Parts: sequence; structure tokens; C-alpha cells
Amino acid sequence: DIQMSQSPSSLSASVGDRVTITCRASQSIGNYLNWYQQKPGTAPNLLIYAASSLQSGVPSRFSGSGSGTDFTLTISSLQPEDFACYFCQQSYSTPHTFGQGTKLEIK
Amino acid sequence: QVQLQESGPGLVKPSQTLSLTCTVSSGPISSGDYSWTWIRQPAGKGLEWIGRMYTNGNTKYNPSLKSRVTVSRDTSKNQFSLRLSSVTATDTAVYYCARGRAISRSPSGLDVWGQGTMVTVSS
Repeated sequence: DIQMSQSPSSLSASVGDRVTITCRASQSIGNYLNWYQQKPGTAPNLLIYAASSLQSGVPSRFSGSGSGTDFTLTISSLQPEDFACYFCQQSYSTPHTFGQGTKLEIK
Repeated sequence: QVQLQESGPGLVKPSQTLSLTCTVSSGPISSGDYSWTWIRQPAGKGLEWIGRMYTNGNTKYNPSLKSRVTVSRDTSKNQFSLRLSSVTATDTAVYYCARGRAISRSPSGLDVWGQGTMVTVSS
């Protein structure tokens, strides 16, 4: 299985901050990398697919980059509704494994 | 907009079989460039990909669960299902069904999710 590791595991930030979350794959996955946001008690929501493509309806302050083994999710200016947990997922080979998550908290 | 809804028992006894169904609101599950996927999440923990069925009926499973898991479908009801046998307490989790999408034949994320259903394994 491909292992996905995210950093940091948790992050404190303020409204208006620029935030970057990193995801690393245990082997090259091309651009088969997706990002999800999950708020407590709800299902994950797709933000970014194919490493850098913005899912329809997702605000443009979210962006993704990377290829191969190293990827980043950037939120350009944090809004109050962005405080949540973020997961990366590889869809290069099954099982389509997820990172352990990054909890973004209000400072 | 397609919607997914999980259903099934919230409590399963150890050693028994967990059975869940996902009802898809629109669009036949046997057409389009999609895969119909099950994911689970133990309380306070991360997401685990369980398995999926393509629109052509082919399946893929997580090797860690492969001997115990079956994903099937009922196209007449536009539903797909999960069966997980010989459950233990470690199978206690919120179970989600989701639609996997392909764009130009490339996997492009799980774009529609059910709300999730909590399943507890306990005697």
C-alpha cells in the first residue's frame, strides 16, 4: 500500500492567515492526489483533485500543488468557516489511502 | 444533484456480519465513469478506504480487509452494498458511501458522499 503522511498534524492560525499543509507519498503517485475538508459530524468534502484542480463550488482561496511524492494545500486567507480537518488521499493505486489528517484550529 | 444515503443496523454483534446499503438518488449506478466506494472512520481517527465497485461491476478491496469484505449492487434499486464478515470491536466506525469520479479516465476524487452511518460492534 502507498503510505500518505501529512504535516503538521495540527495547526493554530488566525483569520486572514495564509496556511500551507503538506502531504507526502511513500512512492511517486504522479498527480493522483486529492484534498478533502471535514467538519465535525459531517462527511468529508472534496476541495482539490488531481493535485491542483479546484472542485466546482470550492472558494478560490484554496489551491493545491505538487507532483510525484510531495504535495501542498494552501489556503490564501483563512476564513472562520475554514477551521476544520483536512485530509489528503492518493488515487494512484488501490487501496486509495488517506493521510492521517491535519486539524486546523483557531489561534 | 445526486445524493447518497447509507442505511443498515447501528449495532452488530462480534463475529457477525455487518451489512450496509447505499441508495443513490439519481443516475443509474451502472453507467458513467464512476466507482461506488465505501470508506470508514473510527471515532476521532482518520479515513480508511474499504473498497469500491466500478460501473461495469468490477470490484477492488483494501487488502487489509479483503478476506472479509464484499461490495455488491442492485441496479434495479440503484443501490450498492457493503458486507463485512467476522466483525470485531475494531470495526466500530462511521461508515460512508461515496461516488468516485473519473475525468478523462483519471481518478478525480470522491465528489459525492453520504452523511455516514455509525456502526458499533458490541455484544
